[in-house]
Amino acid sequence: RKEVEQDPGPFNVPEGATVAFNCTYSNSASQSFFWYRQDCRKEPKLLMSVYSSGNEDGRFTAQLNRASQYISLLIRDSKLSDSATYLCVVTPGGNTPLVFGKGTRLSVIA
Amino acid sequence: EPEVTQTPSHQVTQMGQEVILRCVPISNHLYFYWYRQILGQKVEFLVSFYNNEISEKSEIFDDQFSVERPDGSNFTLKIRSTKLEDSAMYFCASVQNGGEKLFFGSGTQLSVL
Repeated sequence: RKEVEQDPGPFNVPEGATVAFNCTYSNSASQSFFWYRQDCRKEPKLLMSVYSSGNEDGRFTAQLNRASQYISLLIRDSKLSDSATYLCVVTPGGNTPLVFGKGTRLSVIA
Repeated sequence: EPEVTQTPSHQVTQMGQEVILRCVPISNHLYFYWYRQILGQKVEFLVSFYNNEISEKSEIFDDQFSVERPDGSNFTLKIRSTKLEDSAMYFCASVQNGGEKLFFGSGTQLSVL
């Protein structure tokens, strides 16, 4: 069973669209949750942490459902610059290693 | 923003050769990591390092791999006898003790021929 599973993608959306990504994780001991962004052939960069109450950062909203072991990311008003691969990442917490999903590719089209 | 620095950015080697990938973590960080990403695949954990010793390693990190912090700034990953399947992007990362944000270097693309 894969530890972190994500929508396969790719998602091709027009500028201004709203797009949602989903992720499920198998380790019920996971305590910390993140969305990372990765551009082609570049390093992953932290987009936002995900908190139990849900959190928002500008056009980005993340939600966590611990009971269902499910995480989501919503991007509103998509920009061309949002085109990237979005990685769902979990960890038991502290300084334990991050576990990455395979990522979902987003292409925002003019 | 502080940066994790990795060298070289690209490394081409022959199968069976040894390679050393170098990283300079952020100066006040205490935990260091190596991850790898095979083309088209997910980012995979290799090893974590704290207080001058390995704190955790994955199944991928077998006897051909080793890590070292030879001085106060560098953190290296050595692959003793490279195989074709070692071809991947290798990322170094560091984090403050208890910090949430992991800082990644820009990676070393290793190609084994």
